[in-house]
Amino acid sequence: AQSVTQPDIHITVSEGASLELRCNYSYGATPYLFWYVQSPGQGLQLLLKYFSGDTLVQGIKGFEAEFKRSQSSFNLRKPSVHWSDAAEYFCAVETYGGSQGNLIFGKGTKLSVKP
Amino acid sequence: SAVISQKPSRDICQRGTSLTIQCQVDSQVTMMFWYRQQPGQSLTLIATANQGSEATYESGFVIDKFPISRPNLTFSTLTVSNMSPEDSSIYLCSVDPGTVNYGYTFGSGTRLTVV
Repeated sequence: AQSVTQPDIHITVSEGASLELRCNYSYGATPYLFWYVQSPGQGLQLLLKYFSGDTLVQGIKGFEAEFKRSQSSFNLRKPSVHWSDAAEYFCAVETYGGSQGNLIFGKGTKLSVKP
Repeated sequence: SAVISQKPSRDICQRGTSLTIQCQVDSQVTMMFWYRQQPGQSLTLIATANQGSEATYESGFVIDKFPISRPNLTFSTLTVSNMSPEDSSIYLCSVDPGTVNYGYTFGSGTRLTVV
């Protein structure tokens, strides 16, 4: 069955430090991959997505992610974290191509930022 | 990308009652989705709602408990019926804007507490 694993439940980084959030997926075909961010009391905002092509994807707010098929991974990175990045981050995979809508989410990684 | 207005943003309800959550989209979309996010958990798809047809429910969710309406291409409602404290969650609607270039958009969520 398709699944998404985010191994880190909670990560704390210092402001200005680099960040990498891990995501591994299990899916037989080429996946459509997403990273979403959820601030406290808010809905989900799409950070970036991978459908095909260049495996390094640029997103909003200075985030990027790299798709590595050999490792079934789609890790999210940011070179310098800001205090406003404190939130929960969800990796998701769409299990079909096109408009099928079945997003499978990981359990999320909560990011705390130290001043 | 599509903009979703979801309401209410939060509510506290008595057990045994029902709550209807509304999602209004600023453009016509074929598919709308309803998710549940239980406290401290990830998102789980409840059902997919297409205009003009019955909603498709995921395993573990039934129409009697979560009836959905989709009267047109910009609006949907989810009702949580005969509520119990276990229904306390965040409920989110999502849309597929119809092109892979955008990714799925989410409403801001409804935080439901059942007492």
